[in-house]
Amino acid sequence: GENVEQHPSTLSVQEGDSAVIKCTYSDSASNYFPWYKQELGKRPQLIIDIRSNVGEKKDQRIAVTLNKTAKHFSLHITETQPEDSAVYFCAPGGNQFYFGTGTSLTVIP
Amino acid sequence: NAGVTQTPKFQVLKTGQSMTLQCAQDMNHNSMYWYRQDPGMGLRLIYYSASEGTTDKGEVPNGYNVSRLNKREFSLRLESAAPSQTSVYFCASSERDRAYEQYFGPGTRLTVT
Repeated sequence: GENVEQHPSTLSVQEGDSAVIKCTYSDSASNYFPWYKQELGKRPQLIIDIRSNVGEKKDQRIAVTLNKTAKHFSLHITETQPEDSAVYFCAPGGNQFYFGTGTSLTVIP
Repeated sequence: NAGVTQTPKFQVLKTGQSMTLQCAQDMNHNSMYWYRQDPGMGLRLIYYSASEGTTDKGEVPNGYNVSRLNKREFSLRLESAAPSQTSVYFCASSERDRAYEQYFGPGTRLTVT
């Protein structure tokens, strides 16, 4: 199966700053690279995904970049707000998807 | 649309007891999944069902069984609960060719004493 690692495991930023979370994976056959957000006590929800033939995708304040050669992809959040505080999971895969261990992001007002 | 629903929300079991977690979706999705979430471990796939009538093991299937009752419902059974199965259990569903876009239920918090 896929070996997925996320860094950092915790991240604190001041409101308005940017946050970057990196996900590395091992399976070169992975061709979808989603990010999920889980607020405290809630269910995970997909926030953005990228496919293997695309290097970067942006949706308002969030973006994902992919480096298939190096087998990593990153979540970028700009102009962070307190409501961005949550745990973020990457889940690379193709037929099956393997979740990383999560990054707890705290945005300090 | 209710999306993905799970019952119960909370459950406490004694070691050796059995129980079934229920999951249903109303999005006409072909694929359904069961995950467990433990602190610091992320979400780990227990079993999945790519389509009605099929089930496959995921990363951590030991101690669990599943039934895909019909297209809407996918249940998870613990035959003889153990303290190591204390966890939050999430059910999810997706379209068959969009497995990267999974919709999760609200979760079941299970404690085994």
